[in-house]
Amino acid sequence: AQSVAQPEDQVNVAEGNPLTVKCTYSVSGNPYLFWYVQYPNRGLQFLLKYITGDNLVKGSYGFEAEFNKSQTSFHLKKPSALVSDSALYFCAVRDPFEGGGNKLTFGTGTQLKVEL
Amino acid sequence: NAGVTQTPKFRVLKTGQSMTLLCAQDMNHEYMYWYRQDPGMGLRLIHYSVGEGTTAKGEVPDGYNVSRLKKQNFLLGLESAAPSQTSVYFCASSGNRDRGPLGNQPQHFGDGTRLSIL
Repeated sequence: AQSVAQPEDQVNVAEGNPLTVKCTYSVSGNPYLFWYVQYPNRGLQFLLKYITGDNLVKGSYGFEAEFNKSQTSFHLKKPSALVSDSALYFCAVRDPFEGGGNKLTFGTGTQLKVEL
Repeated sequence: NAGVTQTPKFRVLKTGQSMTLLCAQDMNHEYMYWYRQDPGMGLRLIHYSVGEGTTAKGEVPDGYNVSRLKKQNFLLGLESAAPSQTSVYFCASSGNRDRGPLGNQPQHFGDGTRLSIL
């Protein structure tokens, strides 16, 4: 069975500083990994994904994530945080060998707060 | 292009009442999903569909039923609502065959239905 852990319920960072939101995963095969962002009273919005290839993946709004197979991690990063980045972030994993339907398993979410 | 549209946005029910949540997508997606979001628990998959006329159970299916009579619509039913079903419900869809391998495509989400059961 696949699983995702987001060890931090909340991350606080000052505007202009780099940010990291952590994610570790567990799957039986090679993972497909995703990051989503959720703003208040909205649905989840897709940020980026890792399927195969380059371990550093770039996505929307200046976010990037690094896939590390040995550490089973997929941390979300941004070089310079903005107040508008404050939101709830979800990591998700899919095991491509676990049935059909593109089912994802989501982490519990990390609340990012960027302060002036 | 509306994406994924959920109806209604808010609803309050009494215990034992029934209701149906509607999800519609205009992206010609093959797959559709219903999730519930509860504080501290992330999103949990209730039911999903891999195509018109098909449905399958997810992680937390008890107390819910679904139907996908048309490719663009996915309905979630609560037959006899219970307070434990108070939650925010999200519909999602993925997989357009014209956009490459279905397995590589992300899910697209609606803005949710906030359901309270008294």
